[in-house]
Amino acid sequence: DADVTQTPRNRITKTGKRIMLECSQTKGHDRMYWYRQDPGLGLRLIYYSFDVKDINKGEISDGYSVSRQAQAKFSLSLESAIPNQTALYFCATSGTERYEQYFGPGTRLTVT
Amino acid sequence: DAKTTQPPSMDCAEGRAANLPCNHSTISGNEYVYWYRQIHSQGPQYIIHGLKNNETNEMASLIITEDRKSSTLILPHATLRDTAVYYCIVTGNSGGSNYKLTFGKGTLLTVNP
Repeated sequence: DADVTQTPRNRITKTGKRIMLECSQTKGHDRMYWYRQDPGLGLRLIYYSFDVKDINKGEISDGYSVSRQAQAKFSLSLESAIPNQTALYFCATSGTERYEQYFGPGTRLTVT
Repeated sequence: DAKTTQPPSMDCAEGRAANLPCNHSTISGNEYVYWYRQIHSQGPQYIIHGLKNNETNEMASLIITEDRKSSTLILPHATLRDTAVYYCIVTGNSGGSNYKLTFGKGTLLTVNP
């Protein structure tokens, strides 16, 4: 089974709708991250969490919120989706002794 | 974090070594060089990282120049499945800054039959 899972894998929603993307990990890592990727571009950090009580904004947090429900779960919400939030979203995790990040398979979100 | 420069694309013949260069002339003393790759729209995959010594693992080798201003990722026997975008990222490994991965556009490596 995959160490980092994301649900849903694909989602089409309408402008103004609230949507939640979920991420779960079985690696036992404390740190979790949400990134978005637009076509032809690299990944950009939205939010990150170093532990359950720690939430931090990344470089593009406007329009997004997150919830760290447990060490293994980190959710990303779009309170009122807009078309320019159409993108590929990735969740990642890392440990505190080795810092390489492990990514989930991604969620392809389309806002119409 | 130091900025990196990579060629936008490279080709390699299957079975040959792929050597992917990266320039990071503004790297500071406590910054590591990380390499990730992304196979078409999949989640990025960690490959290897290093500080100043050359490193090797089951996936690749990383050669860092003595002045640390550039590095080369070597895939010793490239296969078609190695076709991907390869990202060279420089990031701190202390003071809480090690989380920050700044992804540029990377190098699209195409392995040809």
